[in-house]
Amino acid sequence: GAVVSQHPSWVICKSGTSVKIECRSLDFQATTMFWYRQFPKQSLMLMATSNEGSKATYEQGVEKDKFLINHASLTLSTLTVTSAHPEDSSFYICSARNVMIGLFFGSGTQLSVL
Amino acid sequence: ILNVEQSPQSLHVQEGDSTNFTCSFPSSNFYALHWYRWETAKSPEALFVMTLNGDEKKKGRISATLNTKEGYSYLYIKGSQPEDSATYLCALPYSGGGADGLTFGKGTHLIIQP
Repeated sequence: GAVVSQHPSWVICKSGTSVKIECRSLDFQATTMFWYRQFPKQSLMLMATSNEGSKATYEQGVEKDKFLINHASLTLSTLTVTSAHPEDSSFYICSARNVMIGLFFGSGTQLSVL
Repeated sequence: ILNVEQSPQSLHVQEGDSTNFTCSFPSSNFYALHWYRWETAKSPEALFVMTLNGDEKKKGRISATLNTKEGYSYLYIKGSQPEDSATYLCALPYSGGGADGLTFGKGTHLIIQP
């Protein structure tokens, strides 16, 4: 089946630093990728939608300058958390969509900001 | 924003017993409902996509039903096995269900006790 690889699976960083999370579709082309985050005991919440070669569309309340999304190719999207702070500590997960075969998720990244 | 409710939040079931849990959603403007199975440290795995009122889908010992008029879906597991232990997520598309993201419930955390 289709595989979405997400790295790293966990990361610890100091407050004020930036962290990049990668999401790759390994065996299919993803025209659309989605980024979600999940706080403890909460549901997965959509942060942004990105289409290859276009600027990402951010959900209300998600700062586009803080969460930089790049979707430069049909198999790779990255989420950069800039100047991370403890309140950005969360679980981040991507999903990749191919119109013909469907929607597939990565395994997520647990971010802890000290 | 859609309100997707899942109950119960967690469930302990004896191996061999059958169980079921619920996803509730607004019945207006329904397009589709997705069920996912999510094991710890893995990617959410798609189980079913339900679209028609009265739909019933089955995959091995797992089945799901859909009532769009009253806004609920049930997921059933027959003869639970330890490998069924996971979080089961219900999700609906934000709007038209095309390339939009999903609104998730908080999930039902199922633990099968040997």
